[in-house]
Amino acid sequence: AQSVTQLDSHVSVSEGTPVLLRCNYSSSYSPSLFWYVQHPNKGLQLLLKYTSAATLVKGINGFEAEFKKSETSFHLTKPSAHMSDAAEYFCVVSDDTNAGNMLTFGGGTRLMVKP
Amino acid sequence: DAGITQSPRHKVTETGTPVTLRCHQTENHRYMYWYRQDPGHGLRLIHYSYGVKDTDKGEVSDGYSVSRSKTEDFLLTLESATSSQTSVYFCAISIRDTQYFGPGTRLTVL
Repeated sequence: AQSVTQLDSHVSVSEGTPVLLRCNYSSSYSPSLFWYVQHPNKGLQLLLKYTSAATLVKGINGFEAEFKKSETSFHLTKPSAHMSDAAEYFCVVSDDTNAGNMLTFGGGTRLMVKP
Repeated sequence: DAGITQSPRHKVTETGTPVTLRCHQTENHRYMYWYRQDPGHGLRLIHYSYGVKDTDKGEVSDGYSVSRSKTEDFLLTLESATSSQTSVYFCAISIRDTQYFGPGTRLTVL
């Protein structure tokens, strides 16, 4: 069975400072890992995806994540927060099965950006 | 934009009434999924489909049924809505092992 733990339910940063959203996973397989972002009253947008190629994955809007197998982590970072980054972020692990890729979601981290 | 639409976008209904939510895709992708989103739980899988008339249960399928009579449409039905089914419902499709989500339907059961 697979699981995802997002270590912080809320993170608050000041505009222009770095962002770190933490995620740990558990999977019996070589996982695919994703980060999605959800702005208020919107659907989920794919930020980035890891699929066993480079361990450092670059996504949209300046975000990146590093896959660390020894730590079973996939933390999301951005060097400098922007007001428009305020949203909820979901770390997701995928189990590729014969029935398509089945996703398990973390509980989400709400990012607040202060002016 | 993965060409996914959901209808209705908002619905208020009463306990005990049947409700059907529709997910429509424009590109004939094989896999489709229904999730519900509740605070603190992320998204949880209700049902999924791997082709016309081929569906299976997810993690939280009790009280829900689905149908897929055409590739482009995946319907989610609450046979007798309960207050615990108040939630935001998202449909998704899978493209090259990545899921893309629709805009969501906010359902309130009074």
